[in-house]
Amino acid sequence: GENVEQHPSTLSVQEGDSAVIKCTYSDSASNYFPWYKQELGKGPQLIIDIRSNVGEKKDQRIAVTLNKTAKHFSLHITETQPEDSAVYFCAASPSGGSYIPTFGRGTSLIVHP
Amino acid sequence: GAVVSQHPSRVICKSGTSVKIECRSLDFQATTMFWYRQFPKQSLMLMATSNEGSKATYEQGVEKDKFLINHASLTLSTLTVTSAHPEDSSFYICSAREPGLAGGQSRETQYFGPGTRLLVL
Repeated sequence: GENVEQHPSTLSVQEGDSAVIKCTYSDSASNYFPWYKQELGKGPQLIIDIRSNVGEKKDQRIAVTLNKTAKHFSLHITETQPEDSAVYFCAASPSGGSYIPTFGRGTSLIVHP
Repeated sequence: GAVVSQHPSRVICKSGTSVKIECRSLDFQATTMFWYRQFPKQSLMLMATSNEGSKATYEQGVEKDKFLINHASLTLSTLTVTSAHPEDSSFYICSAREPGLAGGQSRETQYFGPGTRLLVL
């Protein structure tokens, strides 16, 4: 089955700095890669996703890059703000079937004002 | 994005009682919903896949007689924790997937509910 590794587990940055979270996956059949943001006591919220036919996707301060050959994808947050503080989860989902994603273990991002 | 709600947001119950958690897709019909469990500072653990009109598919190690799932309509799935015990205390989160696109193409994106905090005393 799929195995998703996520690093780092904790990331502390100063407001205005950039933050990068990296994930690797093992199953070459995976072709959908969502990123979720989870604030304390709440459910995960989809913030951006990318499919394997695209190498990069950007939405304002958030961008995701995908390297299918190396089987890794990354989340980039620029100009971080304190409200970006949360736990971020990456996931990899195969094509076909029930599309059940495999989640990474999460990264706790702390943005200091 | 699509909106998924859960009710209740938190519940405290006595050991031995049963608790029902509802998951609703508010602005779309979801043929498939998912139930997750999350322990503090850990990732999401898939418990079961709920399919409208049919039996749920449980992940290995999840007791189907303890965690009863019903998906009676395209907008509602329920999880009932039967005879709850303190070790069942956790954060339960549901998610729903939008219906497939024309031509039979399925959509992969899952939208999560806000979660239900269960505390069993």
